Parts: sequence; structure tokens; C-alpha cells
Amino acid sequence: DQQVKQNSPSLSVQEGRISILNCDYTNSMFDYFLWYKKYPAEGPTFLISISSIKDKNEDGRFTVFLNKSAKHLSLHIVPSQPGDSAVYFCAASVTFSGNTPLVFGKGTRLSVIA
Amino acid sequence: NAGVTQTPKFRVLKTGQSMTLLCAQDMNHEYMYWYRQDPGMGLRLIHYSVGEGTTAKGEVPDGYNVSRLKKQNFLLGLESAAPSQTSVYFCAIGAYGYTFGSGTRLTVV
Repeated sequence: DQQVKQNSPSLSVQEGRISILNCDYTNSMFDYFLWYKKYPAEGPTFLISISSIKDKNEDGRFTVFLNKSAKHLSLHIVPSQPGDSAVYFCAASVTFSGNTPLVFGKGTRLSVIA
Repeated sequence: NAGVTQTPKFRVLKTGQSMTLLCAQDMNHEYMYWYRQDPGMGLRLIHYSVGEGTTAKGEVPDGYNVSRLKKQNFLLGLESAAPSQTSVYFCAIGAYGYTFGSGTRLTVV
């Protein structure tokens, strides 16, 4: 059973607009969440993270929102740029009792159209 | 992906052959992981290690073995390759935000 779900396999957005990528999780023990970005033929790279004690974390054009009651997080990219075109993975972990390995979603392919 | 080196980058195997994938790190991390990425399946954990001499199973460990004899190296072995093991394999290191290698693309024919 999937613990981390990204229900949209793909998303297409115009350059300059907002991109919103969504992620749902089922394990209420998760307390640390991350987003990774992956270009073709490269390894995933860390983008942004959020702890369960927060509901928002911002880093430049990237903001992650966490709604614990809904077990939902989202990544907002504003403004979107063509270089943001990549696959985005949501990941989650349990850290309070010793780190467990990250569990990843299936990914969402973002295409930013110029 | 500085600090995490995977070898080889590409390999084609025949069914039943064996091979070892090497992950080497120079960041002195205790934690190392092997993931596989398949279309529509995301990244799935195969095995991981929390320190030299330790290994543990992940979500999809069948058909693979691992060893962590030295802190800086984490080896993933396929004893008898099967077409279902055709995938892109990623090594990662770290405790919270992982650093990934650039991947090994393996095709089993």
C-alpha cells in the first residue's frame, strides 16, 4: 500500500504562472517531508523540506505547505520557469524515533511552457 | 552529484548473469541507500545501511544482496539477473536530505 501518493503523473504550466504539485500521505507517523527534483539522466536533487511542526517553508521561488490534518502537502513554484521542467518527487520520513529511510511518491512530471 | 559516485553508469546483462554495482562516497556519512526507479513507480528502496558492517532490507529486496564492508562503499549485488531487474539504480547517502548519485542504468535481456 502506497504511503506517499502523488496522484498527478504530469502537469503543464505556462512560464511565469504558478505551479502547484500535490502530495498525500497515509502514515500519520511521518514527521519530515521533502521535495526532490529530477532531470533526465541525473540523480534526484534535494529541493526543499518541511518539518511537521511547521505548516509552511519558503525558499526563493519554492514554497512547501503542510496540512497535517488532511495529510497533504503541496509545492508551489512562483513564477515557473522553463528550467523547472523536471520530475518532482515527494518524500516522507519518520525522524522522532530514529531516522527511517525516505519513502517516495511516484513523481509528477512538470512541463513549463515558454 | 558531488560526493557520491556510482559505477558502472550503464550495463547490459544476460538473464542469469551476476554483477555488482558500487556506490562510493567521500562525505563520511553513516547512512547509505540503494533505490531503483522504474517508470510510473517512483523510487523504491532496495536495501540500506546505517553504518559500516550493517545492512537492512527495504521495500523491494528480493533478488539483491548488499554489503558495507567499508564505511565509504556500499555494494549492490545481483546474483542471477532477471529481466524484471531492468531499471535505473540510484545510490543515496545522508540522514535527512539525501545526496544521490547519478545512477546506473541496467538492462537485463
